[in-house]
Amino acid sequence: SQQGEEDPQALSIQEGENATMNCSYKTSINNLQWYRQNSGRGLVHLILIRSNEREKHSGRLRVTLDTSKKSSSLLITASRAADTASYFCATDNSNSGYALNFGKGTSLLVTP
Amino acid sequence: NAGVTQTPKFRVLKTGQSMTLLCAQDMNHEYMYWYRQDPGMGLRLIHYSVGEGTTAKGEVPDGYNVSRLKKQNFLLGLESAAPSQTSVYFCASSYSERDGNEKLFFGSGTQLSVL
Repeated sequence: SQQGEEDPQALSIQEGENATMNCSYKTSINNLQWYRQNSGRGLVHLILIRSNEREKHSGRLRVTLDTSKKSSSLLITASRAADTASYFCATDNSNSGYALNFGKGTSLLVTP
Repeated sequence: NAGVTQTPKFRVLKTGQSMTLLCAQDMNHEYMYWYRQDPGMGLRLIHYSVGEGTTAKGEVPDGYNVSRLKKQNFLLGLESAAPSQTSVYFCASSYSERDGNEKLFFGSGTQLSVL
């Protein structure tokens, strides 16, 4: 089941601006992860946040998690053209190894 | 570092034909997964394996079979391809320890078209 749902579906910004993507999910989780997919490529893990964490940073990425609202956000600061990609949130499914339930993704376009 | 390798990268089949997609990982991961990605649908889990010799069904297993005879390989088979199986297929693997390292490593995908 696709538990995660990203918002917006598409986002277009200019280089240097910040990009914020949101994710909502339905059931309780152990962790929530964000992945990036460049066109025609596989997904690459960006960051994992556990259910007992509220915020996490990695370079220009900032992820927040609100388990009471079942939502997460990914902030990319000072965007670059190379950040152009699709971004997916994924929630864990403890019944399938560490298989993840992916949302439909946010398509981010960063123009020079 | 090869990571997760999928073969082939592209394939065109006729309805009713069979084929096998091969996934190989060199990270000694216990867990392996097959996903399909369709436009507007995100990724959906087809089958997964939590160790050599074990497999289990995911969200959309119908029309597919899998085998994990060796720890490093996870094969996805289509016995009688249908146009609805036109998709991009991704293999992924992960460690088994729940220690903050549960991220998935993905292959580059196989674009399959069934005519």
